[in-house]
Amino acid sequence: AQKVTQAQTEISVVEKEDVTLDCVYETRDTTYYLFWYKQPPSGELVFLIRRNSFDEQNEISGRYSWNFQKSTSSFNFTITASQVVDSAVYFCALMGWGTDKLIFGTGTRLQVFP
Amino acid sequence: DGGITQSPKYLFRKEGQNVTLSCEQNLNHDAMYWYRQDPGQGLRLIYYSQIVNDFQKGDIAEGYSVSREKKESFPLTVTSAQKNPTAFYLCASSPRQGYHEQYFGPGTRLTVT
Repeated sequence: AQKVTQAQTEISVVEKEDVTLDCVYETRDTTYYLFWYKQPPSGELVFLIRRNSFDEQNEISGRYSWNFQKSTSSFNFTITASQVVDSAVYFCALMGWGTDKLIFGTGTRLQVFP
Repeated sequence: DGGITQSPKYLFRKEGQNVTLSCEQNLNHDAMYWYRQDPGQGLRLIYYSQIVNDFQKGDIAEGYSVSREKKESFPLTVTSAQKNPTAFYLCASSPRQGYHEQYFGPGTRLTVT
């Protein structure tokens, strides 16, 4: 079975703090894809990143960085120097090989206070 | 502008009525999806379509129906058989089967009383 666990239900930080959102996944596939999406209060999901299972390189995009570790089945997301505009619900998702189905975690609500 | 539109943003219906949610995309994407989101939960797949005139059930298809008569459109009907229809419904599309990234519309919040 495939599963995504986001154990952190809600995180609150003060602006400029760094924050890491955890994601742990389960799959028997050897090839799979991991995603992060952002859901601001407006409701629309915004695609942030896709990572293939055979590419364990960490990625940095501006203030965002992602740490993918197959050994621990984790795909964590770090926001550096958080801003109020980062306040949203963040979802981690998994897609197995040969399928178009996204398996979502339950999301982590991030609140950044000024 | 290219994108996915869902209308209306908010929809209210009486119990026992069928209701159809609209999803239109002008991205020329082949694949389209419907998800349901409940408070404090992740998204769950209802139906998806990889090509016109073809669609497959997702994980929670009971009480829902879809059609894909045009590439741009993938309406979802919430029937009276759906026991808990109140939820936030999100439509998504992807350029083609196996492309992996899915792009989402703004969603429709359905309330049934």
